[in-house]
Parts: sequence; C-alpha cells; structure tokens
Amino acid sequence: GQNIDQPTEMTATEGAIVQINCTYQTSGFNGLFWYQQHAGEAPTFLSYNVLDGLEEKGRFSSFLSRSKGYSYLLLKELQMKDSASYLCAVTGGSYIPTFGRGTSLIVHP
Amino acid sequence: GAGVSQSPSNKVTEKGKDVELRCDPISGHTALYWYRQSLGQGLEFLIYFQGNSAPDKSGLPSDRFSAERTGGSVSTLTIQRTQQEDSAVYLCASSLRLRTGPTGELFFGEGSRLTVL
Repeated sequence: GQNIDQPTEMTATEGAIVQINCTYQTSGFNGLFWYQQHAGEAPTFLSYNVLDGLEEKGRFSSFLSRSKGYSYLLLKELQMKDSASYLCAVTGGSYIPTFGRGTSLIVHP
Repeated sequence: GAGVSQSPSNKVTEKGKDVELRCDPISGHTALYWYRQSLGQGLEFLIYFQGNSAPDKSGLPSDRFSAERTGGSVSTLTIQRTQQEDSAVYLCASSLRLRTGPTGELFFGEGSRLTVL
C-alpha cells in the first residue's frame, strides 16, 4: 500500500515564499505529482518528479528525494490567487496515483 | 471536447435510490480514472480503465458501486441503493497513459457532487 502525509493547513503572506512538504511510503515508486485545487474546482496539474532533484516552473518548484520518501512544493512571490489546496500524489507499482489529503494554503495580505 | 466533462454537476437523491454519473474524457485519452472526494478528505481512488477494460477495480467501496466504459470513451459510474455515506464529489480524470508505463498528467473534470438525503 501507500501512505502519504502532508500538513493540513498552512498560512503565508502575499509576496512571501512557502514550502509545502510531502512524505510518502510506497511499494515501488514511479513518480510524484503535485496538483492545485481551488475550492469547488477540479484539480489542475502543477508538476511531476520521477528523478531526484528540483524541477522549476515559473514561480513553482518541486523537489524530490526518493531515498528519503520526501518531496516539497515551493511557491515563490505568493499571490492571493495561490490560496488553494495543494495535493501530493504518488504512483507506485500499479501506476495509479494515490493522493494525500491535501494542504490548504491561505495567503493573506 | 476541450476538457473532461462530467454530468450531472449536482445530484440530490434519496437514500435507497440508484444514481448514474457520467464522464466524457478528453478525446484520445486511453486511461480513465474515477476518484471521490469527501469533505476534508483526499481523493479516494475508485476504479481505473484502460480502453474499455478495468484492470483495477480495487477502490470500489462495495458491490453497490459499478462502472463501465464504452467505445474507449464515455464512462458511467453507477451507485445502487445509495446511502448517506456515499455523499461526496465524484471526480473523473483521463490521461494519455498507455497500458504499461508512466501515468502521465491527469486531467480532471469539475466533478459530480452527490448528496444523499
């Protein structure tokens, strides 16, 4: 089976940087996804990591350490519109993404 | 269509009734997934289709739940004799995943919100 753990809620200030952590345990590993979900909307894809290291995409970066079962999503220059839930998902041997409970990020002025 | 389409967007039903939820994936996407999301919970995997076959039904919570996919396209999730604990948002996603190999990016629909009274 798979177990994914991420903080339930985080708050940050507009313009700041925030790091959302995700730890996982899985039998077999075939990639880790981050999705963003605004309230009442569909999750949308942010990033995918399959090898160790940092993947940068604009204001968002995602890091993976397979040996530690650890990933983080880094959001820079926070904007109010970044207030959303951030979902970490891991694919194991079956390639079926298993999602964590999500981290609700609140960005305040 | 341009994205994954789900219907109905909202469904209120009485306990014991059957419901059907429909998903129209992105054209050409061979893989289709159903998840459900309860308030404050993560996405719970229900079933995965590759083409018309369902290699993984392990997430279906009971035999009241069934799903089918026809023509490698539209999928229907059926819940029989609904119970209050079935109330949730049912999300459908599709991807370009091949039968073997990486999952690829999942594209989600807006979901069907089911309320069982």
